[in-house]
Amino acid sequence: DIQMTQSPSSLSASVGDRVTITCRASQGIRNDLGWYQQKPGKAPKRLIYAASSLQSGVPSRFSGSGSGTEFTLTISSLQPEDFAAYYCLHHNSYPLTFGGGTKVEI
Amino acid sequence: QVQLVQSGAEVKKPGASVKVSCKASGYTFTTYFMHWVRQAPGQGLEWMGVIDPSVGSTTYAQKLQGRVTMTRETSTSTLYMELSSLRSEDTAVYYCARGTPPDYWGQGTLVTVSS
Repeated sequence: DIQMTQSPSSLSASVGDRVTITCRASQGIRNDLGWYQQKPGKAPKRLIYAASSLQSGVPSRFSGSGSGTEFTLTISSLQPEDFAAYYCLHHNSYPLTFGGGTKVEI
Repeated sequence: QVQLVQSGAEVKKPGASVKVSCKASGYTFTTYFMHWVRQAPGQGLEWMGVIDPSVGSTTYAQKLQGRVTMTRETSTSTLYMELSSLRSEDTAVYYCARGTPPDYWGQGTLVTVSS
């Protein structure tokens, strides 16, 4: 099984900050990776697919990069509505696996 | 618009089974795989398995093999996830999620396992 190691597990940031979250795959997964945002009590929302493609309707301050084993989600200028948990998900092969999550707090 | 509407919350005793439904609308039901994902209280997301609604074929997470069954009813565009031999560790919110990687998600169904 492919393991996804996500870091950091939590971070504190301020409005306007640039935030970077990283996921590392235990083996190469090409660009078969998505990023999700989850707010308390809500279902996850897809932000990025194919590692770097922005989901329709998602603000352009969100971006994804990487291929193979190293992936990054960047929020260029953190907004109040961005305080949430973020997860990566690989879909290169079964079983799919999520990263452990990153909680972005004020 | 795409909608995935799940059944309501359940409370079950250890050893019982639960069956959660997910009714899809707004797209061609057989076109997209459907995943099931769960989230224990305060924890991360866990992939449970996937079903191809066009033929009914499934792939399950190893740790749930033998206890989970995913099915579909094409006439009503509804998918089902049944989990048996419930234990307290199965207490979680269960989600259906369309496509790979999932784009649309159901609202979630809380399953509580308690004696």
